[in-house]
Amino acid sequence: QVQLQESGPALVKPSQTLSLTCTVSGGSITSGSHSWTWIRQPAGKGLEWIGRIYTSGETNYNPSLRGRVTISADTSKNQVSLEMSSVTAADTAVYYCAREGPAAAGYFLHWGQGTLVTVSS
Amino acid sequence: EIVMTQSPLSLPVTPGEPASISCRSSQSLLYSNGYDYLDWYLQKPGQSPKLLIYLTSNRASGVPDRFRGSGSGTSFTLEISRVETEDIGVYYCMQALQAPYTFGQGTKLEIK
Repeated sequence: QVQLQESGPALVKPSQTLSLTCTVSGGSITSGSHSWTWIRQPAGKGLEWIGRIYTSGETNYNPSLRGRVTISADTSKNQVSLEMSSVTAADTAVYYCAREGPAAAGYFLHWGQGTLVTVSS
Repeated sequence: EIVMTQSPLSLPVTPGEPASISCRSSQSLLYSNGYDYLDWYLQKPGQSPKLLIYLTSNRASGVPDRFRGSGSGTSFTLEISRVETEDIGVYYCMQALQAPYTFGQGTKLEIK
């Protein structure tokens, strides 16, 4: 059974870079034709798709984040990472990683438990 | 980007009674393979979202058959035939036709 675990700093200062890691267990991030996605949710609000990385390394990002986002994968550690630059208070949210698949099937069966990131000085 | 609109946003239901949530998209979610790329998720308090329905009408593994998804094009519905207390939470529809995937605002189902 695939399991995802997000980790990273809980507090980030404004204008700095948010860095999170999703560690995957129970399966390789390179197996199958899945993509690995980051989704966030501000407190009490809805869900926002941030972006994804395919096993090929191809990435897609939400244009609303204006080029501040980079998603990468470390196959040796079986991890997927999210970096978001120039953060503001509006980036305060619970960040989830999720596995889509297979083959761009368009649904997320596996989710991490989420990690809360607060942007504050 | 495709805009998803859910209604109602709040849904008080008596246990044992049916419930229905509507989800509309700003453009058709029909892909060339004949599937409408619309999913439903339930997020219980303090938990990650859980997949209920994928590709409009397919129940995810372990999802009770009282949950039914239907629709096509731009109009979709999630129906619960007989609500149980464990069904409380926020229901989201999500389009997966094109990136960025987008979610509806969420419908909070609560027990009367």
